[in-house]
Formats: sequence, structure tokens, C-alpha cells
Amino acid sequence: DTEVTQTPKHLVMGMTNKKSLKCEQHMGHRAMYWYKQKAKKPPELMFVYSYEKLSINESVPSRFSPECPNSSLLNLHLHALQPEDSALYLCASSQGATDTQYFGPGTRLTVL
Amino acid sequence: TQLLEQSPQFLSIQEGENLTVYCNSSSVFSSLQWYRQEPGEGPVLLVTVVTGGEVKKLKRLTFQFGDARKDSSLHITAAQPGDTGLYLCAGPAGGGTSYGKLTFGQGTILTVHP
Repeated sequence: DTEVTQTPKHLVMGMTNKKSLKCEQHMGHRAMYWYKQKAKKPPELMFVYSYEKLSINESVPSRFSPECPNSSLLNLHLHALQPEDSALYLCASSQGATDTQYFGPGTRLTVL
Repeated sequence: TQLLEQSPQFLSIQEGENLTVYCNSSSVFSSLQWYRQEPGEGPVLLVTVVTGGEVKKLKRLTFQFGDARKDSSLHITAAQPGDTGLYLCAGPAGGGTSYGKLTFGQGTILTVHP
């Protein structure tokens, strides 16, 4: 089973709202990732967690706050977002940091 | 910095035609992945190639990894409308500060008309 799940599928929020995106995998993978993707473009890396520790932050604004409660779960907390943050947010996982990444179905985020 | 040049960026063909997408680099990659993505969905892994010169087949899709592990191609035979989507090649970005990062090609948007 190579499934990564993400909730919610769609999210609409105002600029003053606080919301969270959730990602889960049960493949025993030790690396998990958050990406942001604009239409018809490749995904852009935001954060990498390796063994539940944040190993890469690609200079992401502090209004995005990642959290890895355990080896199967990854959250992305959102606060005071801007309309330009509207995008498809993808979670991925891999056995190790250089192994094949498996992506979830994504959360379509719209910021009004 | 390792770069992946993917071509063509856009491909519009009729059902039944064949096509090839290329992914080239001046750097050696330990592996390359090919993904297909439909609008509003996450990328779905098609294949991982690891060995130089490797050829893998997935029904009508044939993937090749160059002997020097610097390039790869995806060939689709007798394309169908269900093949429509964004095709992405990607590979591990290397060591040092790039450890854990994935380098993506720019993507190929394929449209297959009935």
C-alpha cells in the first residue's frame, strides 16, 4: 500500500482565519514533506521532516507552521494567509530522504 | 545545483498517435521518477528508474534511463484520452544542503484528443 491521505480536500478561508491541513501515511516512511503547487507548474518544496524532526524549511513565511506529532502524521497550520497563498498543497512521504516520494491527493486552498 | 530540463512543455495530439517526453540533465542522478498528475489531484508515481540503461514498461508506457544516468525518456504508444495530464520527471537533488530535496523538470502538459 503506497497511500498518503490528506484532509480536507478543499478549504476556503479568510485572511484572518486559522486552519490546519492534515496528512497521514501508514507505510512506515520516515521522511515527510509539504509542497505548494500552482496550476500547471511543478510542486515547490516547503518543509521536510526526517525522523519527526524538521530538517528543511525553504524560507517559508511564518504564517505557515508545520508540525509532526508522530511518524505517521504531518500537519500544516495556517494563519493570516494572503490571497496569493491560494494553491494546491501536497503532502508526500518517502522511506528515506533520498528515496522515491509518494504524494497525497492534495488540499485545494482558496484564500479570500 | 542539479537541474532537469524537460521537453516538450506542451503536447497536443490525436488519439492513437505515439509520443516521447524527454528529461535531460548535465548532472548524474542516483534515480529518476516519472509522475502523472491530473488537475486538482496529487502526482501519481508511474515509475522509478535506478540503473543506467534501464528500460521499464508499464502497459503502453516505456521508460528509459540513460547509460550515464543523466537523462530519461517516457514513450507512450497509441495515446488515449485517458493519458491526458501533466507529466513530471523528478530526481533526488543530491547531498549537502540539498539532502531530502527533489529536483523537478518543468513538466509536460499532454492533451490527447479523441
